[in-house]
Order: sequence, then C-alpha cells, then structure tokens
Amino acid sequence: SYVLTQPPSVSVAPGQTARITCVGDNIVSKSVHWYQQKPGQAPVLVVYDDSDRPSGIPERFSGSNSGNTATLTISRVEAGDEADYYCQVWDSGSDHYVFGTGTKVTVL
Amino acid sequence: DVQLVESGGAVVQPGGSLRLSCAGSGFIPGEYDMHWVRQGPGKGLEWVSLISWDGGKTFYADSVRGRFTVSRDNTKNSLHLQMNSLTTEDTGLYYCAITAVSGYQFDHWGQGTLVTVSS
Repeated sequence: SYVLTQPPSVSVAPGQTARITCVGDNIVSKSVHWYQQKPGQAPVLVVYDDSDRPSGIPERFSGSNSGNTATLTISRVEAGDEADYYCQVWDSGSDHYVFGTGTKVTVL
Repeated sequence: DVQLVESGGAVVQPGGSLRLSCAGSGFIPGEYDMHWVRQGPGKGLEWVSLISWDGGKTFYADSVRGRFTVSRDNTKNSLHLQMNSLTTEDTGLYYCAITAVSGYQFDHWGQGTLVTVSS
C-alpha cells in the first residue's frame, strides 16, 4: 500500500515560514491535498491539487510537489496557524485514499 | 452551505455491531462521492470507506473490509456505515466527508461521531 511520511512536528516563530514535507514514492505523479486540523475540530482543506487554494484560505498557504516530496508552506506564520496538518493522495493502484502521518505545527 | 451531520456513535462491546449515519444538505448528491474517515484517540486520520455518487461502487480500507458495509440514499441525501465484529482498534471519531466526482480531495467534513469499543 502507498505510504506518506511527514515529520511529527515543526516549530516556527511568528512571522517566519513553516515548511511541512510529505514524502511518498514518486509522489509527483499524484495530486496532493493538505488539511489543517485544530484541536477538537474537523479537518479543513487548505490546499488541493498540489498548489491550489479553496476560497477563503489565505494566500499565506501554498503547496508544491516534486520528485518524492510534496511541501506545504505557511508564510508569515500566525498563532492561529498552530494545528495538525495532513497530506493526502488518492492511490489509483488500490483505489484507496491515503493520509500522511500528520505534522504538529507549534508557533513559538 | 454544505452541512454533514453524523450520528449513531456509542459505546459497544468487542464483537458487537453499530450503524452510523450521516445527513447531508446544501449539495447535490449526484455530484459527490461520500466517505467515512476515522481518527483514533490521539492518532492521525485514516480513510475507511467510499461509496460512489450513484452507489454503484464501494471501496474499503483493508482494516475494515469484510466487517463494514457502506450505503447511501440519495433521495434523503444520507450516508450509512454498518459496522460488525467491532474490535478495540475501531475506537475513534468517525467523520463523514465528501469529494466531488471530478476530484480526489475532501471538500467538506462533518464534525464526527464517537465510537468506543470497550468491554
């Protein structure tokens, strides 16, 4: 089965840039989606199809995908960005949806 | 606005059964596939099951195949999950979520219903 690996945690100071990686075999061949989940809340889509943003998501959230690594970048980090973040793909080989292991972003 | 409201979560003994439901509104059922995604206590997200927009196709995670059955009723815009032979590993918050038939991202999520499998 397809596996997506994320770092368990990322720490960043307010105003700085946070980068969250998502590693998967030849992930560039797949569309990667990213979700933000705050404590006690349902996940929210923040980036889809590698780099597109749903309406209402700030431009500070951006994504990229190359080789074996997809990256979610949060620019000018704010205290309200503190949350868990998950990447996700659809694996055509198994017709399964796959989530990454998740990354906790802490704003210092 | 799209709304997804789950119900049916409960405390159940190992080996028991439970039926979850999800009531949808604010979207056209024929334009969306519907899913169940779960999250164990303190754990990450795990995709559980998918049913296609017309109910014609169903897919399951390996961990639940043969024990769980997903169904939908587009006339009522509802989704269901019949869970049998439950184990403690099935404990968690179960979310209903939808993906447009033209995409593979979860556009909208419910708030979840809690399933606890314990003796």
